[in-house]
Amino acid sequence: EAGVTQFPSHSVIEKGQTVTLRCDPISGHDNLYWYRRVMGKEIKFLLHFVKESKQDESGMPNNRFLAERTGGTYSTLKVQPAELEDSGVYFCASSQQLAQTELFFGEGSRLTVL
Amino acid sequence: AQSVSQHNHHVILSEAASLELGCNYSYGGTVNLFWYVQYPGQHLQLLLKYFSGDPLVKGIKGFEAEFIKSKFSFNLRKPSVQWSDTAEYFCAVTPSGGYQKVTFGTGTKLQVIP
Repeated sequence: EAGVTQFPSHSVIEKGQTVTLRCDPISGHDNLYWYRRVMGKEIKFLLHFVKESKQDESGMPNNRFLAERTGGTYSTLKVQPAELEDSGVYFCASSQQLAQTELFFGEGSRLTVL
Repeated sequence: AQSVSQHNHHVILSEAASLELGCNYSYGGTVNLFWYVQYPGQHLQLLLKYFSGDPLVKGIKGFEAEFIKSKFSFNLRKPSVQWSDTAEYFCAVTPSGGYQKVTFGTGTKLQVIP
């Protein structure tokens, strides 16, 4: 069974540019989550999809971040325009049931904004 | 809102030493608790979880954790560490019932010296 896959694994962009991160959850997992970790700090919740609907987007930093999950399959997280403080590792996770069960994580997408 | 504190940021142990990583959470109600581990170059994966019942839970690779409700703690233990346990360990909490986001601590880097 394929795990959660994320692309790209590493992206280096300049301030003001746009980056789109992609996450493919485990097949059949309705729940998809985005988290972010800034160096040395906690893994911070960004948002949660149930199928194609946003269940909770309370962690999204500001309107420069846009997440979509068309058709309830893969998800994209776009940062436009990117700022220096957006640098970090963006993790995607999926689960079959609610958050009380195990989250399956991807390897993360490292974003560096120069 | 819930929060998690991991007081040890970096722990260095020799092989065969015993391990205890501290985790305290803040939340007034019933919680589910998790420890996740990230080995070098790999994705985050579940080590163990507590939902209810016996407060001493056993996970993979000989790890265990004890939920002490009165102390709001969920410390991770292993009697004898191995070099292969070198990794970063994250404690996480979510309120029980329905959908609630999983909140992570800042992580503890464990380095085991052969």
